[in-house]
Amino acid sequence: EADIYQTPRYLVIGTGKKITLECSQTMGHDKMYWYQQDPGMELHLIHYSYGVNSTEKGDLSSESTVSRIRTEHFPLTLESARPSHTSQYLCASSATTKNTGELFFGEGSRLTVL
Amino acid sequence: GENVEQHPSTLSVQEGDSAVIKCTYSDSASNYFPWYKQELGKGPQLIIDIRSNVGEKKDQRIAVTLNKTAKHFSLHITETQPEDSAVYFCAASASGGSYIPTFGRGTSLIVHP
Repeated sequence: EADIYQTPRYLVIGTGKKITLECSQTMGHDKMYWYQQDPGMELHLIHYSYGVNSTEKGDLSSESTVSRIRTEHFPLTLESARPSHTSQYLCASSATTKNTGELFFGEGSRLTVL
Repeated sequence: GENVEQHPSTLSVQEGDSAVIKCTYSDSASNYFPWYKQELGKGPQLIIDIRSNVGEKKDQRIAVTLNKTAKHFSLHITETQPEDSAVYFCAASASGGSYIPTFGRGTSLIVHP
């Protein structure tokens, strides 16, 4: 079992609200990622981090922002949610030192914006 | 950058049949090729992986083959069972954990009892 947790698992909010999706891992992994998964299954990398105080934008442009103040914590924030942000968001982590590249995923946060 | 193509997008088989999912990659520097299984309502989970110095790897009913010359790798599931029904993703990355993996678009496998 991977020790990576996402909250909330499900969230329904109205347009214009600010939301933060939480992601925490207890494995001491240096790298963390956020993926957006559309109904067609494809995983789109939206943010990643190499370690504390490191954040990078992924392949898919996103209006969300992330922060990495602590190794174990990588929250994603939407300042003003819109219906187009409705999606499944997956957080993951990996350890560079393991030299395998294996990603450990959380169970996801399903966001619905009305 | 790396580009990973995955086929088919949907695969429907009868219980007991074999299933094969194929991926191609473009970057010859890629040397780590994992496969993830995503069950409904969960995040993807690693089921098997292979490195570029190995041509084939087996784990019970699951096997992965790699052809570095042709830049393609495949997942083989034998004696499929209904619990194998899930979405499967292939991925490729270089130098182990130093690089961000590139994922295929996923294959939805349906095993009919």
